Amino acid sequence: QSVLTQPPSVSGAPGQRVTISCIGSSSHIGADFDVHWYQQLPGTAPKLLIYANNVRPSGVPDRFSGSKSGTSASLAITGLQGEDEADYYCQTYDSSLSDPWVFGGGTKLTVL
Amino acid sequence: QVQLQESGPGLVKPSETLSLTCTVSGGSFSVYYWSWIRQPPGKGLEWIGSIFHSGSTNYNPSLKSRVSMSVDTSVNQFSLKLSSVTAADTATYYCARADHSYDSSGSRYYYFDYWGQGSLVSVSS
Repeated sequence: QSVLTQPPSVSGAPGQRVTISCIGSSSHIGADFDVHWYQQLPGTAPKLLIYANNVRPSGVPDRFSGSKSGTSASLAITGLQGEDEADYYCQTYDSSLSDPWVFGGGTKLTVL
Repeated sequence: QVQLQESGPGLVKPSETLSLTCTVSGGSFSVYYWSWIRQPPGKGLEWIGSIFHSGSTNYNPSLKSRVSMSVDTSVNQFSLKLSSVTAADTATYYCARADHSYDSSGSRYYYFDYWGQGSLVSVSS
């Protein structure tokens, strides 16, 4: 079981707003950790979507945004489009862990 | 533009050693951690290990006894060896670059900003 917990699936209609949560286990990881998000389109490698909780790399549309509060982080997608249908993963790095690079289990986003 | 490309056999026999190499082009090879991440079919991402350009390594404890990573800075390559493989090691193996920044407390954190396209490795006799 990962120290980062994501819902297995979320869905939304085109144009809607969806959020994906990423909850950290306080027994394994402190509150002061940064979360990064990746988008994996079908059949492709993951792509960095958000880093440091809310920073978008160049080229990522502003429809994607991230936030963090305490041990929970969220990825929000507004104006949902069919091309957003993908798997989304959160990730953190904590040097106090024996496996410092940690991924959440992933969330499948379905655009209805 | 930074590019990473995995190479190696797509089929490995049980009990043998899986070997992959990642070639990096564009950008600096120093400063970063270079990493291997795998994804079994239909499942999520699993960090395998990371190696700094100096050769210092971090491995996933669940794989540590079977994993070895090395780096060749002269040709901008890093490699993965996973010994005593079983069917459970069948996965797409990605190489990735880990960049870093600092949080509000001054602690360093890492994220994967560039990925290879992935190499599917099947373990079967």
